[in-house]
Amino acid sequence: QRQLQESGPGLVKPSETLSLTCTVSGGSISSSSYFWTWIRQPPGRGPEWIANIYESGTTYFNPSLKSRVTISMDTSKNQFSLKLTSVTAADTAIYYCVSQAGPTKKIDSWGQGTLVTVSS
Amino acid sequence: QIVVTQEPSLTVSPGGTVTLTCASSTGAVTSGNYPSWFQQKPGRVPRTLIYSTTNKDSWTPARFSGSLLGGKAALTLSGVQPEDEADYYCLFYYGGAWFFGGGTKLTVL
Repeated sequence: QRQLQESGPGLVKPSETLSLTCTVSGGSISSSSYFWTWIRQPPGRGPEWIANIYESGTTYFNPSLKSRVTISMDTSKNQFSLKLTSVTAADTAIYYCVSQAGPTKKIDSWGQGTLVTVSS
Repeated sequence: QIVVTQEPSLTVSPGGTVTLTCASSTGAVTSGNYPSWFQQKPGRVPRTLIYSTTNKDSWTPARFSGSLLGGKAALTLSGVQPEDEADYYCLFYYGGAWFFGGGTKLTVL
């Protein structure tokens, strides 16, 4: 069973860039059987899909966030990362990294989540 | 922008049966939307209940089932238990992009 762990600053100032990394253990991020996803959940609200990245490097983005989001992967470190630019208070949320099985698209592992607060 | 709509809240008696649904603003939900369902309890990480419309995760109790019903994705709980009180979210795939429903707060009372 893969394990995922988010890391990054818990506090980001408005207009700055939020940067998070997900470290994957128990499986290779280069596997073509899986793809890698960021999801966020604002306090008291439902989850929101942010972006995916596949081992091929193919990426997909939430249309409402696309202009501000970058997702990348570092196979040497078995990590994938998220950058969200020009953050506002509306970007305050728990950020989760997850793995999804390619054929079924099942979310089979969730990170524990990391709370990122946008505040000056 | 695609919108996925769920009942905001439902109440069910212990031992009863309840069906939660998810509708898509694009039209009928199909297996090609790979409907998934998640359960989330307060302060906890969401857990996958159902994926690819009908498939159960390894931990999913037998009383949960997924289906397509009247152009929507559906999650049915039969023989509801008090521990089923939680928020439930659906997730749909649209050719690369994914959209969550707003969630259903299920109360067992």
